[in-house]
Amino acid sequence: DIQMAQSPSSLSASVGDRVTITCRASQTIYSYLNWFLQKPGKPPKLLISAASSLQSGVPSRFSGSGSGTDFSLTISSLQPEDFADYYCQQTYSAPFTFGPGTKVEIK
Amino acid sequence: EVELVESGGGLVEPGGSLRLSCAASGFAFNTYSMNWVRQAPGKGLEWVSSITSSSTYIYYGDSVKGRFTISRDNAKNSLYLQMNSLRAEDTGVYYCARGTETPDCWGQGTLVTVSS
Repeated sequence: DIQMAQSPSSLSASVGDRVTITCRASQTIYSYLNWFLQKPGKPPKLLISAASSLQSGVPSRFSGSGSGTDFSLTISSLQPEDFADYYCQQTYSAPFTFGPGTKVEIK
Repeated sequence: EVELVESGGGLVEPGGSLRLSCAASGFAFNTYSMNWVRQAPGKGLEWVSSITSSSTYIYYGDSVKGRFTISRDNAKNSLYLQMNSLRAEDTGVYYCARGTETPDCWGQGTLVTVSS
């Protein structure tokens, strides 16, 4: 099974900050990597698929990069609505594992 | 409008069974693979199971293999999860999601509580 690691597990940042979250797969997953945002009591929302493809309606301050085993999600200028939990997920091979998550909190 | 609505959750004793349903609308259900993903209270997301559009391929996570069964009825635009031999660690919110490679639409979830 492919294991997914995320770092950091949590971070504190201010509105306007640039934030980067990283995700590492235990073996190559090419570009089969999704990023989700989740707010308390809500379902996850897909932000980025195929490592770098921004979903329709997602603000351009979100971007994704990487391939193989190392990936990153960057928020160029953190907004109040971005404080949430973020998860990566590999969809290269079953089981389609999620990373443990990164909590982005207000500083 | 694309919509997924889960139902069937509730309180069940350890060793018991539940059947979850997910009603889909607003898209061509029979052309999409579908998934179940769960989230224990205060924990992260855990992928549970996926089924391809024609039910040709089915996948399960190790923690539910042999106990859970995913199925679908394309005529009824519905996805199901039969859960047997339930354990306390199966407690959580269960979401259905559209598309395995790109899960772009999620339901609001249904809560399953396994407790005596």
